[in-house]
Amino acid sequence: AQSVTQLGSHVSVSEGALVLLRCNYSSSVPPYLFWYVQYPNQGLQLLLKYTTGATLVKGINGFEAEFKKSETSFHLTKPSAHMSDAAEYFCAVSDRRSGAGSYQLTFGKGTKLSVIP
Amino acid sequence: NAGVTQTPKFQVLKTGQSMTLQCAQDMNHNSMYWYRQDPGMGLRLIYYSASEGTTDKGEVPNGYNVSRLNKREFSLRLESAAPSQTSVYFCASSEQDRANNEQFFGPGTRLTVL
Repeated sequence: AQSVTQLGSHVSVSEGALVLLRCNYSSSVPPYLFWYVQYPNQGLQLLLKYTTGATLVKGINGFEAEFKKSETSFHLTKPSAHMSDAAEYFCAVSDRRSGAGSYQLTFGKGTKLSVIP
Repeated sequence: NAGVTQTPKFQVLKTGQSMTLQCAQDMNHNSMYWYRQDPGMGLRLIYYSASEGTTDKGEVPNGYNVSRLNKREFSLRLESAAPSQTSVYFCASSEQDRANNEQFFGPGTRLTVL
């Protein structure tokens, strides 16, 4: 079974500072990787995903992530934090379930980002 | 185009009561999913339906049942609610049950079991 580890359940940054949210995964096959964002009292929204091809993936709202196979990492970054970025962020890996070949998203436990004015 | 809708938004139950959470999507997606979200646990898959007419257990299916009513609708039933089922429940859908497919999430149902 695959797994996802997000380092840091809470991260605080100042407005305008670099945002770095860490995600490491374990996988026995080439993974598909996702970052989702959840604003307070809302559902999850896709920020970006890595499937194949370019390892640097750009997403919405100025976020990007780089797939590093050698480090089994998929860290999320944004050069300059805005107040509106305050939310919870989830890294997820797509995993083949046992049996019939269907797929399942396995989520990390989430990182809550606070942005300090 | 409403995406994924869920009803109700909030619900309070007493231990032993039953209820059904409703989910519908208008994106003509084949696959639908039910997750629960608990603090510090991320999201965990309860049940999924890879296509109309099929349902399968996820990571935490105990205490739940599902029905894929048609292509649009996927309901989650708690037959005898327990305090351990206090959680936020999310329904999601995707075009196909494939590894690289994005899942689209509803706004969630906040359930409290007393």
